Amino acid sequence: EVQLLESGGGLVQPGGSLRLSCAASEFTFSNYAMSWVRQAPGKGLEWVSSISYSGGSTYYADSVKGRFTISRDNSKNTLYLQVNSLRAEDTAVYFCAKGGRVLGSGSYYGANWGQGTLVTVSS
Amino acid sequence: QSALTQPRSVSGSPGQSVTISCTGTSSDVGGYDYVSWYQQHPGKAPKLMIFDVSKRPSGVPDRFSGSKSGNTASLTVSGLQAEDEADYYCCSYAGTYTWVFGGGTTLTVL
Repeated sequence: EVQLLESGGGLVQPGGSLRLSCAASEFTFSNYAMSWVRQAPGKGLEWVSSISYSGGSTYYADSVKGRFTISRDNSKNTLYLQVNSLRAEDTAVYFCAKGGRVLGSGSYYGANWGQGTLVTVSS
Repeated sequence: QSALTQPRSVSGSPGQSVTISCTGTSSDVGGYDYVSWYQQHPGKAPKLMIFDVSKRPSGVPDRFSGSKSGNTASLTVSGLQAEDEADYYCCSYAGTYTWVFGGGTTLTVL
């Protein structure tokens, strides 16, 4: 069974930074595109970013472009999201999601999801 | 990237069928056959229920079905069961490997 475990969330001041991680297991991580999706407290889902299976292509929502960076280390089966210049509106649970197609340049949907890590931006 | 439009809530009695609509534009729902649906119980991670408009992942009951017409996609849940009570989100591919979600619909089983 696919396992995705996010970590790295926490309380950070406005303007601060964090690096979120998503450790993957029970599937060939290097074969799948991956994505980050967030959910503000009591709100709906918002796509944040995706990365190709190789890491060579990355995609971002306009709301985070220039502030967030997605990356992956296929040797460590780990996905990352570097979040900088954080704002109050970035407060959310951040989920990682596995793409549904082998060797995808990107994802069309999230086939499997982790439990999420909470990022709280507050002074 | 404007959010897709879903009804805030729908309800039905056990055994009945309900349909949740998801309206977008020709740049997302209407432009691609890549609509997916997710079920989310309180405090839990989203779970993929439908992908590519109408395909079900293994393990998802065939009571769940998806369709699309023009710029509107739909999720139908037949034979409602108590455990179907949850939030449901539609999502569409919007080009260049970007996604757009709907605002979510709360399904209540009466």
